Amino acid sequence: GENVEQHPSTLSVQEGDSAVIKCTYSDSASNYFPWYKQELGKRPQLIIDIRSNVGEKKDQRIAVTLNKTAKHFSLHITETQPEDSAVYFCAASKGGSSNTGKLIFGQGTTLQVKP
Amino acid sequence: GAVVSQHPSRVICKSGTSVKIECRSLDFQATTMFWYRQFPKQSLMLMATSNEGSKATYEQGVEKDKFLINHASLTLSTLTVTSAHPEDSSFYICSAFGPVPQYFGPGTRLLVL
Repeated sequence: GENVEQHPSTLSVQEGDSAVIKCTYSDSASNYFPWYKQELGKRPQLIIDIRSNVGEKKDQRIAVTLNKTAKHFSLHITETQPEDSAVYFCAASKGGSSNTGKLIFGQGTTLQVKP
Repeated sequence: GAVVSQHPSRVICKSGTSVKIECRSLDFQATTMFWYRQFPKQSLMLMATSNEGSKATYEQGVEKDKFLINHASLTLSTLTVTSAHPEDSSFYICSAFGPVPQYFGPGTRLLVL
């Protein structure tokens, strides 16, 4: 069935360093890939997303890259700050005529940014 | 961005009782809503897809008779956990799908004693 694998499960970086989180997906029909940030006890917040017709998207310190051939996508956070500490989830969804909107989530990455 | 509300935010109940959780899209019409469950330190697991005016579609392993879903209007979906047991204690989150992306509700923390 549909599956999204996310690595690493935990990531600790020094403030100012970069952080990279990687995900792979199994369903080649997936063409929408959002990333969510979830703080403890809160709802997931969308931080960036990418569609399959784009290879890279950037929003200030956050960027996402997509390799459709290899079926993997990555989140890059540069100049990390302590407030970036949270759990990050990748997800994959199908679009177009088969769009169900159903998101399949990765296992999550706990990011700790040390001051 | 779009607003999705969820009520209640927290509920404690005795084993064997039923609990209803509401999910509302406040400023857009959501033809589809999703219900997720999240155990501590785990990912969000999709339970079911709720479509307005039709029966919900449940994911494999989710008991439809235990988790009753009703999507009576374009702005409201309800999840009822029937005969709740301690193992049903979890964080339940809904999301509303109108235009992409999905917007999540604030979640309901259920504790079954």
